Amino acid sequence: EDQVTQSPEALRLQEGESSSLNCSYTVSGLRGLFWYRQDPGKGPEFLFTLYSAGEEKEKERLKATLTKKESFLHITAPKPEDSATYLCAVQGGSNYKLTFGKGTLLTVNP
Amino acid sequence: DTAVSQTPKYLVTQMGNDKSIKCEQNLGHDTMYWYKQDSKKFLKIMFSYNNKELIINETVPNRFSPKSPDKAHLNLHINSLELGDSAVYFCASSQDPGDAATQYFGPGTRLTVL
Repeated sequence: EDQVTQSPEALRLQEGESSSLNCSYTVSGLRGLFWYRQDPGKGPEFLFTLYSAGEEKEKERLKATLTKKESFLHITAPKPEDSATYLCAVQGGSNYKLTFGKGTLLTVNP
Repeated sequence: DTAVSQTPKYLVTQMGNDKSIKCEQNLGHDTMYWYKQDSKKFLKIMFSYNNKELIINETVPNRFSPKSPDKAHLNLHINSLELGDSAVYFCASSQDPGDAATQYFGPGTRLTVL
């Protein structure tokens, strides 16, 4: 069964203090690894898809990277509006379902 | 213009009752999903329909029954509600089953069973 573990569970940063979120996974035949952002009281919002080890994607202050066992979401010089829960999910080769991690709650203080 | 909408947003009910949650998408997608996010924040898929055909049916009690009257709608009916059913239920849609990258989520329905 596919598994996703995210760490840390919660991360508190000062504005401008760069850091990384980790997503470790086990999956049978990776079709894709996905990062989502979830704001309180809202549904997850898609950020990135990574398909193979070595791939990187960037969007504003966020950069996602992928190895064969884990993915990192790097946040450079974060702002308070980056505060949210960041979810990682994998899609295995045997079916179409997404398996999500528990998420990392990021708080960026001004 | 809302892409994926759910009603109601909040649902408070007594144990043993039957309730339904409705979902509609106006994106022209072929695939729709129901997810459950429990108090520990785990988001787990329950069902998926593609062109009104059930393609994912995870291990959920048979008290939960999805119904897809057409490609744009996927409703969730829950019989004999239990305390453990309390959670946030999210509907989502994507262009096709393999295209999770285009999966759009609704705002969620917070179900509280008393």
